[in-house]
Amino acid sequence: DAKTTQPPSMDCAEGRAANLPCNHSTISGNEYVYWYRQIHSQGPQYIIHGLKNNETNEMASLIITEDRKSSTLILPHATLRDTAVYYCIVRAYSGGGADGLTFGKGTHLIIQP
Amino acid sequence: DTEVTQTPKHLVMGMTNKKSLKCEQHMGHRAMYWYKQKAKKPPELMFVYSYEKLSINESVPSRFSPECPNSSLLNLHLHALQPEDSALYLCASSQGIQGNNYGYTFGSGTRLTVV
Repeated sequence: DAKTTQPPSMDCAEGRAANLPCNHSTISGNEYVYWYRQIHSQGPQYIIHGLKNNETNEMASLIITEDRKSSTLILPHATLRDTAVYYCIVRAYSGGGADGLTFGKGTHLIIQP
Repeated sequence: DTEVTQTPKHLVMGMTNKKSLKCEQHMGHRAMYWYKQKAKKPPELMFVYSYEKLSINESVPSRFSPECPNSSLLNLHLHALQPEDSALYLCASSQGIQGNNYGYTFGSGTRLTVV
């Protein structure tokens, strides 16, 4: 799986959009970008994933650059409950297949009131 | 049911004790996982079960013994642990080879303290 680079921490004001960057310059053509988050003392939670097109769901939007070497997770209206560690993971799609997820260090997003 | 349930939520055990962590899911997922997470670190994969057979062991010490009695249950048997084994133990499940797009579902974990 390709390596990812994320800032260790970010702050965002409540009610504003939180934009979390991820660099994955060695991504290969069959690798997807996945985002998970982990709220303190809970298990990681799936947010969104994409291959090359921008994706949106009820939680967030994922913007992938045209060369696919970086992406941005957008939480459109951040709330205090969005304070968490956000993990960007690049891996070949195996349908949630049985090979586990490899987590990097992630970004600790702190939403300020 | 879209959850992975882990019990107990907290466990304190002595170094000579034997205890077990339990994980249960009823989503029909055929792959189940154990992760270990130390404070302020990302989760680290320990074991993978695929269709009730152990498929990946990430060089975990033998004092950790996984068991998958059926497709819905996953246990982690603990014996002769060390204080440095204190951590949050996370269970996860996924569809398996013929999966969907939503990846992995994690439980809330068992907070283990070895004294």
